[in-house]
Amino acid sequence: GDSVTQMEGPVTLSEEAFLTINCTYTATGYPSLFWYVQYPGEGLQLLLKATKADDKGSNKGFEATYRKETTSFHLEKGSVQVSDSAVYFCAVQGGSEKLVFGKGTKLTVNP
Amino acid sequence: DTAVSQTPKYLVTQMGNDKSIKCEQNLGHDTMYWYKQDSKKFLKIMFSYNNKELIINETVPNRFSPKSPDKAHLNLHINSLELGDSAVYFCASRGDGRSGNTIYFGEGSWLTVV
Repeated sequence: GDSVTQMEGPVTLSEEAFLTINCTYTATGYPSLFWYVQYPGEGLQLLLKATKADDKGSNKGFEATYRKETTSFHLEKGSVQVSDSAVYFCAVQGGSEKLVFGKGTKLTVNP
Repeated sequence: DTAVSQTPKYLVTQMGNDKSIKCEQNLGHDTMYWYKQDSKKFLKIMFSYNNKELIINETVPNRFSPKSPDKAHLNLHINSLELGDSAVYFCASRGDGRSGNTIYFGEGSWLTVV
């Protein structure tokens, strides 16, 4: 079945540092790829998505590019803020109806 | 208006009780889901319904029974609650291909079994 391997956390950065969270996937067909974010005590919010190879999803300064050749969808942000502290989930939606998540990466940004 | 809403947000109950979590979406989507997030934050699908019909049923104990009275609602009933059922339960919905395949989540229901 579909699966996602996501960079293990936790990740701790200083404000304005560069962020990369690695994500690779296996899926059948032509999957769509997503990053979701969960702020402390809150639900899941869609951060960005990409539906075909070479698409770049972006939102709130975060970016991820759908790389079919490396089956990757790494999340990046050039300058993180304290308010970015959250758990980030990479997810893949392949031929089945369901969304399969990675294990999540907890990010803490210190002032 | 909240797109996917679920109630209650917090629920503390004793072992052996029966409880329900309700979910409603106002997005006009055909497909709805229940996901479980465990204490390690791992998210796993439990059920999926399309137009009131069950299409995905992962390996979930029979004590969990989803019910979809119409395509805008998917409720989760749990019988004989156990300590291990403590988790966050997320409802979600998805439109068909024409309206995009993004899955939108509710805010979660934090269930604690004591």
